[in-house]
Amino acid sequence: GQNIDQPTEMTATEGAIVQINCTYQTSGFNGLFWYQQHAGEAPTFLSYNVLDGLEEKGRFSSFLSRSKGYSYLLLKELQMKDSASYLCAVRDGDYKLSFGAGTTVTVRA
Amino acid sequence: IAGITQAPTSQILAAGRRMTLRCTQDMRHNAMYWYRQDLGLGLRLIHYSNTAGTTGKGEVPDGYSVSRANTDDFPLTLASAVPSQTSVYFCASSEDRGATDTQYFGPGTRLTVL
Repeated sequence: GQNIDQPTEMTATEGAIVQINCTYQTSGFNGLFWYQQHAGEAPTFLSYNVLDGLEEKGRFSSFLSRSKGYSYLLLKELQMKDSASYLCAVRDGDYKLSFGAGTTVTVRA
Repeated sequence: IAGITQAPTSQILAAGRRMTLRCTQDMRHNAMYWYRQDLGLGLRLIHYSNTAGTTGKGEVPDGYSVSRANTDDFPLTLASAVPSQTSVYFCASSEDRGATDTQYFGPGTRLTVL
């Protein structure tokens, strides 16, 4: 099986920056995804990394280090609407996608 | 609007009853998936289908069955529901089950088995 770890909860202030870390151990690697999930809603795709380095998409950036089995999602200029769960998911050598339990981010005014 | 629909939105079911959760996508995606989401455990794959006519078992397949008669529909059946199957069920689809493929999720079905 796969082992994907991320913090359970994080709290930050509106306008601040939050970094959500994800570590993983998988048999083979074919990419890492980040999804956002608001309470009571479906997960929605945020980012995909397969090569080492930083991918930037507006206020959100995602970083990957394959040698360390490590990724982070960086949320800048936090807004109240960013309060949600953020799911780290890893695709293994058999192309199966496994999800972490998710990190609930609460943005305070 | 293109996407994935699921029905019902929510359901309360007596233990031992049979239940089918419906999933339909209009994106002509080849691959479809069923997940359950439980607090503290994240999304876990139940069954998947790479293309119409084929299905495969995921991480937690016991007590569930699926069929894929055509590209658009991927129903999930609980033959005899048990309380441990209380969960939120998400259907997802992707163009293909390849490395860069992104999965898109339906709105979910909240199922309670009493």
